[in-house]
Amino acid sequence: EAGVVQSPRYKIIEKKQPVAFWCNPISGHNTLYWYLQNLGQGPELLIRYENEEAVDDSQLPKDRFSAERLKGVDSTLKIQPAELGDSAVYLCASSKTSGGPPTGELFFGEGSRLTVL
Amino acid sequence: AQRVTQPEKLLSVFKGAPVELKCNYSYSGSPELFWYVQYSRQRLQLLLRHISRESIKGFTADLNKGETSFHLKKPFAQEEDSAMYYCALGGFKTIFGAGTRLFVKA
Repeated sequence: EAGVVQSPRYKIIEKKQPVAFWCNPISGHNTLYWYLQNLGQGPELLIRYENEEAVDDSQLPKDRFSAERLKGVDSTLKIQPAELGDSAVYLCASSKTSGGPPTGELFFGEGSRLTVL
Repeated sequence: AQRVTQPEKLLSVFKGAPVELKCNYSYSGSPELFWYVQYSRQRLQLLLRHISRESIKGFTADLNKGETSFHLKKPFAQEEDSAMYYCALGGFKTIFGAGTRLFVKA
């Protein structure tokens, strides 16, 4: 079974440029997460989707970050414009939940490492 | 507020020695706790969850509600155990600790 797929794996851009990350979750997983992982830190949730609905985007910096999950499958996370402090690894994860708190296992992608110069 | 604390950034032990990675949590209610592991050049993956009370790769973790802890233990560390370990509090928003890097020396 294919795992969570993310692209690109690495991206180097100059500040003020836009960047987008793509995620394809495991087939059948209705919940999708975007996490931010700074160097030396654990993953921090940016946004959680249940199917196509963003049910928790409280930690997403909406002035420059946006995300979408059209048709409840693939998802895209965008940053525009990027700042130096956005350099980090952006992780996508998925899980299969059926109502109620998602207490099950999260399946992670390999991550997209962003470097902003 | 919900919080997960892993007090050790780095833990270095010799092969065959016991290892304990500490995790404390803050949560009002019945917690769902997990340990995730990230081996070199691999993705983050689940190691074990408290609800299943299983032993994976010789690791165990016991939930202590009185001490709000979920420490990860292994009686005899192996070199292949070297990795980053993250304790996580599950729920609508899974919260991760900062991680502990375990280095097992030959």
